[in-house]
Amino acid sequence: GESVGLHLPTLSVQEGDNSIINCAYSNSASDYFIWYKQESGKGPQFIIDIRSNMDKRQGQRVTVLLNKTVKHLSLQIAATQPGDSAVYFCADTRLGGSNYKLTFGKGTLLTVNP
Amino acid sequence: GAVVSQHPSWVICKSGTSVKIECRSLDFQATTMFWYRQFPKQSLMLMATSNEGSKATYEQGVEKDKFLINHASLTLSTLTVTSAHPEDSSFYICSARPRLNQPQHFGDGTRLSIL
Repeated sequence: GESVGLHLPTLSVQEGDNSIINCAYSNSASDYFIWYKQESGKGPQFIIDIRSNMDKRQGQRVTVLLNKTVKHLSLQIAATQPGDSAVYFCADTRLGGSNYKLTFGKGTLLTVNP
Repeated sequence: GAVVSQHPSWVICKSGTSVKIECRSLDFQATTMFWYRQFPKQSLMLMATSNEGSKATYEQGVEKDKFLINHASLTLSTLTVTSAHPEDSSFYICSARPRLNQPQHFGDGTRLSIL
């Protein structure tokens, strides 16, 4: 059932600032990592992915950094806009594993103040 | 591309009824689809992996007789919550993957409320 009292980590930024959202993963065998954005009442939306043979990948206004040594992933959003306000989840999997199941992080609530 | 449609988006029903949720991949075929459950302010919890033409694989602690999954075609998987009770109220989300080494794409979820 539902758990009462849990809350998401939050990050509040001003419009135009850069945002950095962090994520730790636990499976050292994971080799594929994805960031998703989830707006209220909707399903997660793919933002960017990265494979373990890379440590950085850039998209439009977003950059993902991967540090396999400490099992850490970050998402950088440049010039954050009010439309970026959402919950951001990282997910990891092992390509070649059982059906490539994703393991989701806890999520971070990003609030962009105009 | 890679659009996943989920229906209905919202359902309210009485305790004891069964509810069917559909998940369709609109512009690609998916041999594998996934069903998740999400409580407010929490992450997604994988319930089961739906394989076209075969039985679903359920995660530990998920009752397969309670949550019936059917994946009859390469573009459609259904989740039926049988004899639903208030504790089954939640946000149910499906996903599908175009190819094995590509990310999962998600539907917009179904808000299920059992009275």
